[in-house]
Amino acid sequence: QSILTQPPSASGTPGQRVTISCSGSRSNVGTNFVNWYQQFPGTAPRLLNYENNQRPSGVPDRFSDSKSGTSASLAIDGLQSEDEADYYCAAWDDDLKGWLFGGGTKLTVL
Amino acid sequence: QVHLVESGGGLVKPGGSLRLSCLGSGFRFEDYYMNWIRQAPGKGLQWISYMSVTGSFTNYADSVRGRFTISRDNAKNTLYLQMNSLTVDDTAIYYCARGTVAARHYFDPWGQGTLVTVSS
Repeated sequence: QSILTQPPSASGTPGQRVTISCSGSRSNVGTNFVNWYQQFPGTAPRLLNYENNQRPSGVPDRFSDSKSGTSASLAIDGLQSEDEADYYCAAWDDDLKGWLFGGGTKLTVL
Repeated sequence: QVHLVESGGGLVKPGGSLRLSCLGSGFRFEDYYMNWIRQAPGKGLQWISYMSVTGSFTNYADSVRGRFTISRDNAKNTLYLQMNSLTVDDTAIYYCARGTVAARHYFDPWGQGTLVTVSS
């Protein structure tokens, strides 16, 4: 089953702004909200951003997302060492009637 | 506090079966769609299946359709995944995740996961 396309890795230094892209197609990213999940090694993923830049309680506003056409992106402002994790995008696909995930991006804080 | 706890994982031989459970607490279980999502060792996330609040609507990823069956018992606040005809490619951590009032919103929260290993 197809997945959404993310870069496998990203990096930045503390304080920098980093963006992670997520590319899909009309039936998923182009039509539906994109959600973002953060996963630390050995732990379950947690919801980070959802439905047009909303954040669950406890998620700092340094994390923001945007979408244009069939591409979405997650931006992290003021990068911190504790942001080092894997990040996944996800979107509902109208053709599959199910969910697609991106392959994940490993973020390294230099 | 909303909490999901999976159980039932373990080692199974190729061709074997396993049933996973996910116990929800801290919320009205019967009001939410529920999902199973898996992660193979060192790999990314893969959505497996969802079930609607009453169980009327389900769907599966192509890779498991016909082999896996999702079900729920709202009286017991529990989601299940019956896995048959397992192959080595099914080796993964299996997470249950709460949806919302419809299928297409988001997953929050996730359980801690249960490891399924398919090996001879």
